[in-house]
Amino acid sequence: QTVVTQEPSMTVSPGGTVTLTCASSTGTVTSGHYPNWFQQKPGQAPRTLIYRTSSKHSWTPARFSGSLLGGKAALTLSGVQPDDEAEYFCLLFYGRAQWVFGGGTKLTVL
Amino acid sequence: EVQLLESGGALVQPGGSLRLSCSASGFDFSRSAMHWVRQAPGKGLEYISSIGEYSIFYADSVKGRFTISRDDSKSTLYLQMSSLTPDDTAVYYCVKDAPGGYSFDYWGQGTLVSVSS
Repeated sequence: QTVVTQEPSMTVSPGGTVTLTCASSTGTVTSGHYPNWFQQKPGQAPRTLIYRTSSKHSWTPARFSGSLLGGKAALTLSGVQPDDEAEYFCLLFYGRAQWVFGGGTKLTVL
Repeated sequence: EVQLLESGGALVQPGGSLRLSCSASGFDFSRSAMHWVRQAPGKGLEYISSIGEYSIFYADSVKGRFTISRDDSKSTLYLQMSSLTPDDTAVYYCVKDAPGGYSFDYWGQGTLVSVSS
């Protein structure tokens, strides 16, 4: 069974920069996994921030960026704002529409 | 404006069945692949199923028990669930795939399914 691993929690100061990662139990994450990143705040539905590794939706703030880093997918937040406090999930594609979510990273802005 | 509105969530007994619906608007539904994703209380997200123009896929956890379908004339996505267990208790989200694929772009607000005796 494929497992996608994210940091359970991270803390960042307002105005700081933080990178969340998404690792695959099958090995190196590539663009062929089409990484997606989602933000979810308590009581709300998830919102897509990044798709296909680094593409942004029209509503994605410029301070969010996606990349591949050290064999993992990565979501970097630059100039973090208090409103960025949320849980972040990644999603990887493994062929034949088999998608696997990471366990999520709870980001605290403190 | 893209809108996805799920309905049909309810309290159901173990072994029971339920059909969820997702009414879509604001985009060409017939040309969009669609997905179902669920989230158990206090847990992470779990991919359930996808339907495209010619293809259907399921996660192993629901294969043989859940059936995804769509009615393009009504711009509605369905998820027929049977042999439900308490582990199926979750908020179920309908998600639109972006043009070009490989992207979950718009999410519905979710509908809660509770399986309990």
